Amino acid sequence: EPEVTQTPSHQVTQMGQEVILRCVPISNHLYFYWYRQILGQKVEFLVSFYNNEISEKSEIFDDQFSVERPDGSNFTLKIRSTKLEDSAMYFCASTKGVSGGSSYEQYFGPGTRLTVT
Amino acid sequence: AQSVTQPDIHITVSEGASLELRCNYSYGATPYLFWYVQSPGQGLQLLLKYFSGDTLVQGIKGFEAEFKRSQSSFNLRKPSVHWSDAAEYFCAVEDRGSTLGRLYFGRGTQLTVWP
Repeated sequence: EPEVTQTPSHQVTQMGQEVILRCVPISNHLYFYWYRQILGQKVEFLVSFYNNEISEKSEIFDDQFSVERPDGSNFTLKIRSTKLEDSAMYFCASTKGVSGGSSYEQYFGPGTRLTVT
Repeated sequence: AQSVTQPDIHITVSEGASLELRCNYSYGATPYLFWYVQSPGQGLQLLLKYFSGDTLVQGIKGFEAEFKRSQSSFNLRKPSVHWSDAAEYFCAVEDRGSTLGRLYFGRGTQLTVWP
């Protein structure tokens, strides 16, 4: 069964460094998302992406964050200058259907644990 | 604003016992509701979803959930728990006003199953 993959599974970085988290969505999906979960807190929406454009972003997704689909398979999240509070599990998700349809489901990857020291 | 509350952080049940995980939501219109499960090292997997119609929804792995509008609840149930059900369970509501279906999650309930 096709699945969303994410690399690396764990990334440790120093404060102020740039990180790129990578995701390979399911191949025939068109809509992409990033969520994150700070330890002990809720899973929070960061951004949605379609047709090479950001569709929606949350208040968390400030100028330090960017997303890109550099080729036909990868979907990346970049944090330009990491802060301690960026430490979290980052989940990528993708879907092919429109919301409310019988086939609608956001498929999630296993996550990348980002630790900022 | 949309929100989801899962009042139980951790639940422990014996194998074979019944299970109910609670979920309450806050949403101004008819919600789209989901339950996801996460096993260690795995992504969030969809167990079931509610969009409309029958308020009792059947999902995978023998789970079901009942939408109760009057109580703003969408509780997950299973009549007989298996050891493999030990995982973290997340309830989510979709923001239908968002362009691509932004999800709001609860904090999750960690399920431990005793043999």
